[in-house]
Amino acid sequence: EPEVTQTPSHQVTQMGQEVILRCVPISNHLYFYWYRQILGQKVEFLVSFYNNEISEKSEIFDDQFSVERPDGSNFTLKIRSTKLEDSAMYFCASRDGTAHTDTQYFGPGTRLTVL
Amino acid sequence: GQNIDQPTEMTATEGAIVQINCTYQTSGFNGLFWYQQHAGEAPTFLSYNVLDGLEEKGRFSSFLSRSKGYSYLLLKELQMKDSASYLCVVMDSNYQLIWGAGTKLIIKP
Repeated sequence: EPEVTQTPSHQVTQMGQEVILRCVPISNHLYFYWYRQILGQKVEFLVSFYNNEISEKSEIFDDQFSVERPDGSNFTLKIRSTKLEDSAMYFCASRDGTAHTDTQYFGPGTRLTVL
Repeated sequence: GQNIDQPTEMTATEGAIVQINCTYQTSGFNGLFWYQQHAGEAPTFLSYNVLDGLEEKGRFSSFLSRSKGYSYLLLKELQMKDSASYLCVVMDSNYQLIWGAGTKLIIKP
């Protein structure tokens, strides 16, 4: 069964460093998402992406964040200058785009630890 | 504002039945999802309701009442592996997912 994959599974970085989190959505899916979940808290929407551009973004997704689909398979989230409070699980999700209410399927997540 | 309420934690016994309730107030409604999330893992899809009534899928059932802004997830024949958080998630009028904080379900032998 197709699945969303993410790399790395765990990233440790120093405050102020740039990190790139990578995702490979399910191959025939058209909509891509990034979410984060701080330990013990609820899942928070960051950004949605369709047709090579951002379709929605939350207040969390400020100028420090960017997303890119550099090729036909990868979908990346870049944090330019990490802060301690960026420590969280980051989940990528995708859906096939037939209908807005299609189920979003989640990758296993990247645990980001900022020291 | 948008709000989803569900109990923080519930405890049940292996083999029993448990019902996890969710109430919501959102700007518009395009369906309600239930996701399961084991600690340290990604949410996995369980169910989707957009019309009133009960949807049954194996040991899991989900109910929706749009007029009451209410849903529940019913888990039967509980197994130890059902110990997880259960997330009530509403899709609003902009097709954005609004996430509840989750209900941590503890299964005891």
